[in-house]
Amino acid sequence: AQSVTQLDSHVSVSEGTPVLLRCNYSSSYSPSLFWYVQHPNKGLQLLLKYTSAATLVKGINGFEAEFKKSETSFHLTKPSAHMSDAAEYFCVVSLSGGYNKLIFGAGTRLAVHP
Amino acid sequence: DAGVIQSPRHEVTEMGQEVTLRCKPISGHDYLFWYRQTMMRGLELLIYFNNNVPIDDSGMPEDRFSAKMPNASFSTLKIQPSEPRDSAVYFCASSRAGREETQYFGPGTRLLVL
Repeated sequence: AQSVTQLDSHVSVSEGTPVLLRCNYSSSYSPSLFWYVQHPNKGLQLLLKYTSAATLVKGINGFEAEFKKSETSFHLTKPSAHMSDAAEYFCVVSLSGGYNKLIFGAGTRLAVHP
Repeated sequence: DAGVIQSPRHEVTEMGQEVTLRCKPISGHDYLFWYRQTMMRGLELLIYFNNNVPIDDSGMPEDRFSAKMPNASFSTLKIQPSEPRDSAVYFCASSRAGREETQYFGPGTRLLVL
């Protein structure tokens, strides 16, 4: 069965420093993986997705994630945090089969301090 | 495209009243999803439709909840009678067919049941 674990419920960084949000997944075969971001009182927006092409995936706003099959990880990174990055981030795996059913992680709340 | 449209954006009602949430998916999308987000339980999939047909409603909490999709451009989620524990943000999302396809989320309806 597919599942996803976000290892940190809260991450706090200073503006201009790197961001690392960790995600591990469980899947019986090569998964489709996504990162979504949710700003306060807003809907969810896709940051990036992995669909078995390049293992390093670049997304919007300078974010990227690397799919590591040996570690079953899909960590989200950004070289330099901006105040506007403060939000909640969800790691998501797509369920097997032809359906679009998504399994969401619990979320990581990112705080960015001046 | 206008994206996924949800109405109302906010709803305040009293316990026992009927509540109807509305969603217009992105044109051309085959799948429509209803999610509920709470602090305690995070994001939960309630039900999803493929080509207007309900595929999986196992996430619908009780018989008080019902969802319909009378045509490709409109869906409703109804709660009757509503209870305070139904207070949450309800999201609608849509996507094309395929496990790698992106789900696009609406802005959500914030429901408060007094």
